Amino acid sequence: DAGVIQSPRHEVTEMGQEVTLRCKPISGHDYLFWYRQTMMRGLELLIYFNNNVPIDDSGMPEDRFSAKMPNASFSTLKIQPSEPRDSAVYFCASSPIGGTGAYEQYFGPGTRLTVT
Amino acid sequence: DAKTTQPPSMDCAEGRAANLPCNHSTISGNEYVYWYRQIHSQGPQYIIHGLKNNETNEMASLIITEDRKSSTLILPHATLRDTAVYYCIVRVGKTSYDKVIFGPGTSLSVIP
Repeated sequence: DAGVIQSPRHEVTEMGQEVTLRCKPISGHDYLFWYRQTMMRGLELLIYFNNNVPIDDSGMPEDRFSAKMPNASFSTLKIQPSEPRDSAVYFCASSPIGGTGAYEQYFGPGTRLTVT
Repeated sequence: DAKTTQPPSMDCAEGRAANLPCNHSTISGNEYVYWYRQIHSQGPQYIIHGLKNNETNEMASLIITEDRKSSTLILPHATLRDTAVYYCIVRVGKTSYDKVIFGPGTSLSVIP
């Protein structure tokens, strides 16, 4: 299995531009998570999906952020318009669900976003 | 929701056992303890998890105290590649739609 795939790996954009980050979860996993990591705030959960349905988006910082999961093998995180404070590493993770509800998350390599 | 407390940093000599502590004094009876690590510039990596019994896999051992208020992750023979930030996590929420919240973790430095 190739693991969780994210693209692009690096993105540099100017303030005000739209940014789309992409994720392909591990086949067969029911959950998909988007995280953001910065030096100041650490690793923050933004949103997660179960069977393609958004379950909790309380971590999404503001309306400029949106996430979709049109099918079980693809998700996007969009920032429109982007701002310099959005600069961070964005991770996607997927997870199966165990028989007792315990599960582990498998993370992708991340997308390093720089907004100038 | 249960919170965890970890020392911010630790050193360990290469080849020796690394013992990483975690306090989770408010853990509930149905909450699991998870450990992840993040090597520089990579995504976090799942290591191990447990409920109340000690667990061991090819990467590490997890020792959970009888009262479940604390645990220790043991890397039996630390190598330089084990230098990473280690996160101790307790599941939050009361439904099957649980999410994992990462704290600041412990930065482990394995020294030659």
